[in-house]
This record gives sequence, C-alpha cells and structure tokens, in this order.
Amino acid sequence: QQQVRQSPQSLTVWEGETAILNCSYEDSTFDYFPWYWQFPRESPALLIAIRPVSNKKEDGRFTIFFNKREKKLSLHITDSQPGDSATYFCAASEANAYKVIFGKGTHLHVLP
Amino acid sequence: NSKVIQTPRYLVKGQGQKAKMRCIPEKGHPVVFWYQQNKNNEFKFLINFQNQEVLQQIDMTEKRFSAECPSNSPCSLEIQSSEAGDSALYLCASSLPTGSSNERLFFGHGTKLSVL
Repeated sequence: QQQVRQSPQSLTVWEGETAILNCSYEDSTFDYFPWYWQFPRESPALLIAIRPVSNKKEDGRFTIFFNKREKKLSLHITDSQPGDSATYFCAASEANAYKVIFGKGTHLHVLP
Repeated sequence: NSKVIQTPRYLVKGQGQKAKMRCIPEKGHPVVFWYQQNKNNEFKFLINFQNQEVLQQIDMTEKRFSAECPSNSPCSLEIQSSEAGDSALYLCASSLPTGSSNERLFFGHGTKLSVL
C-alpha cells in the first residue's frame, strides 16, 4: 500500500519555467512533510519541509503548497535552473511514531 | 559533506553469503533509520532505532536481516543469506527525536550492495 504518492514520475521543463511536483498522502496522522532531493550518485538531502499548521512554505525559489483537507501538497520551483535537475522525494512522518514514508520520487530535468 | 558515515561504499557478495554494512550516525542523533533504495530510486524502510532500542522493523527485516546499534559502536545491518533481489543501495540516516524542532533525516552516502 503506497501511503505517499507522487506525480509525475518524470518532468522536463525549460530553464526559467516553473516546475510543479505533486504529492498526496493517505494517513491523516502524518504531521510533517519534508521534500528531499537527490542528485545522481549523491545521498538524499532535505530541501524544504512543511507542517499542517501552514498551507504554504517558501524558501527562495522553492514553495510548498499544502491542502490538508484534500491530503495533497505540491512543490513549485520557480525560475528552474539546470542545476535543479534531480530526483525529488516527497515524504511524510508522524510525530512520536518515528515513521518516515517516502514517495517514489519525481525525476526533474531542466533543459538549458 | 555527509556527517553520517557508512562503510563500505561498495559490497559484492555471492548468493547465500552474509553481507554486513555499518553506519556511524551524526553526533548527537539518537535515532537511526535504514532504508533500501532500489534501482528505480524507491525507498523501502527496513528498521529504525532510538539509541540501542528497535522502534520499528518490517517483516522482511525480521527474517533474513538483522540490525543493531550498540552503544559506543557503529550501527550495523547484516543480511544473513544474500539474494539477488537484495542488490540495492542501503541508506542509513540519523535524526534528532521526533517532536524536536528539527526532524530532518541526515543521510549517509550509502552502501551499494551487489549480489551476484
């Protein structure tokens, strides 16, 4: 059972465009939603995260939009750069349960 | 640079052989996770610890996989009898306890296991 779903599986945008990566989850007890990015031959690293008390979290060109009612969130990358090309993982965790569930990832390719 | 240290970086085993990998979590992080990442980049949770205690583990882990996080020693993950399907990147991650202000996972570079 896939608790965290991501779409699309792969996304290609041109440099300067906005990339939108989608994520949905099933478990209402999840209360922390980090996004990790992973470059080829590198380990995943935290990019940005949000908690359900907020519906938006912004960090530079990266913004998470969160819809608690629909159990959906999205990562928007504005002014995409070729250096943003990576696999992006949406994850969800539950407080005090030490459970961190990852989606299958979206591979983003930014063309120069 | 990752402060979570995993060794070895590469591990090659024959089917039926034992495969053991180690992880030193970031200093001050009591929670350690092991994930298996397959060739499609999908994460599969295996087991996690807080200090030396197992918090959660999946059924697969209970059968052929064993893991421990002894005090003052690296954490380890061992596959008792490797199978071809175990070929993957094994990622160790550490974190502060949930409920703290920072729950992010810090990943090591992983151990890439190839079972021939």
